[in-house]
Parts: sequence; C-alpha cells; structure tokens
Amino acid sequence: EAGVAQSPRYKIIEKRQSVAFWCNPISGHATLYWYQQILGQGPKLLIQFQNNGVVDDSQLPKDRFSAERLKGVDSTLKIQPAKLEDSAVYLCASRDSEGGYGYTFGSGTRLTVV
Amino acid sequence: SQQGEEDPQALSIQEGENATMNCSYKTSINNLQWYRQNSGRGLVHLILIRSNEREKHSGRLRVTLDTSKKSSSLLITASRAADTASYFCATDGEYGNKLVFGAGTILRVKS
Repeated sequence: EAGVAQSPRYKIIEKRQSVAFWCNPISGHATLYWYQQILGQGPKLLIQFQNNGVVDDSQLPKDRFSAERLKGVDSTLKIQPAKLEDSAVYLCASRDSEGGYGYTFGSGTRLTVV
Repeated sequence: SQQGEEDPQALSIQEGENATMNCSYKTSINNLQWYRQNSGRGLVHLILIRSNEREKHSGRLRVTLDTSKKSSSLLITASRAADTASYFCATDGEYGNKLVFGAGTILRVKS
C-alpha cells in the first residue's frame, strides 16, 4: 500500500512570508494528524482531523497556523506569517480508525525560516 | 506538551553491545509505541505494547511496560551500526486516538 505523501520535502522562506504544506494520507484512513518537530525534540501534535472535521487543535497557534482537510482526504497546513521559531520538520500521519493501532508517518517537510 | 521523559538523552555504544532506552509517561494509556527516526527522515514504527501487556519481543527488540510506574524500556540486542538513529516512545491515550511523543534518545553505534 502507498505511504503517506508529503510535499514539498524542503522549504526555505524569509520571516513574515507565508508557506503551505500538503499531505496525502493512506487511502481510506479517516484520521489525519499534523505534527511539528523542532530540532532535538520529539514531535508535537498540532492538529487532528477525523474525516474532514477537526478533533483536536488545542496546540495549533491559530493566530498564524491554519489547516484544512477538504473532502476528508488531502490536507494542507499553512503558516502566515512565518516566524524564525517555526523552523522545524512538519510531519503528517494517518491512521485507519476502523481497527488496529497503526499510525503511518510521511517523510515530512523541513521548513527553514531565515 | 509532551507526555514524558526519555532516558538517556544520548547513548554511544560499540557494535554488538546491547542498548537500553527508558521512557516515562504521565497519564493513563491505551498502548505505548516505539519509533525510530534516522537523521532527516520520517518516523518508522518499531513495536507496540498494549496497556495489558508487560513484555513484547520483535526480532532484536524487547519492550517492557510497567503501568504501575508509568514507564517502559526498549532493549536492542546485538546492536549494529545501522541502528544509529533517534528513538522515540509515544503513548496512545486512553481512547487510543492520538500519539504523544517523548523527547527521544539519540543512539550511536560505533563499528
């Protein structure tokens, strides 16, 4: 089965610019997650979707971050405007809510804000 | 906020030795999972242990879980240079619907 696809793989932007990341989960996976992983730290959950609805966005900095999952499939995460401290790897994961405990992670997008 | 702590933060061993990493967490869990991350890459799932299990094996991996102490350990036996990576424990909450990660242990295996 195909994995979780993310793009772009790398992105370098200047502070105050905007950026968007894309994620295509495993086909049929109802639950999708975006994690932020700052260098030297473990991943931190930003937002969780169940189909096209938000389940948990308590740790999403909503003044600058937004995410959507139209039609319950692909998802985009946007940052506007970016700050230096947003430099991190942004990981997308999906999970089949029908059973099992397996989470599948994408390769991530490495964002550098200069 | 992250669920728990991992210990040690970094570990350097010789090829062939065993590596042990520990993880502590704070709340009730459905299961606990261990992941590996090579530099600049995504997370690879290694092993999962449910809250009603105490020990689990997978190849050279052995995981233990002590829910009374809210702690887990990952043992990698007969380590190889290719095991060099960061290792993270992640807890899946009581309802099993989201992963919360620790800060990770950086393992370096010298050949």
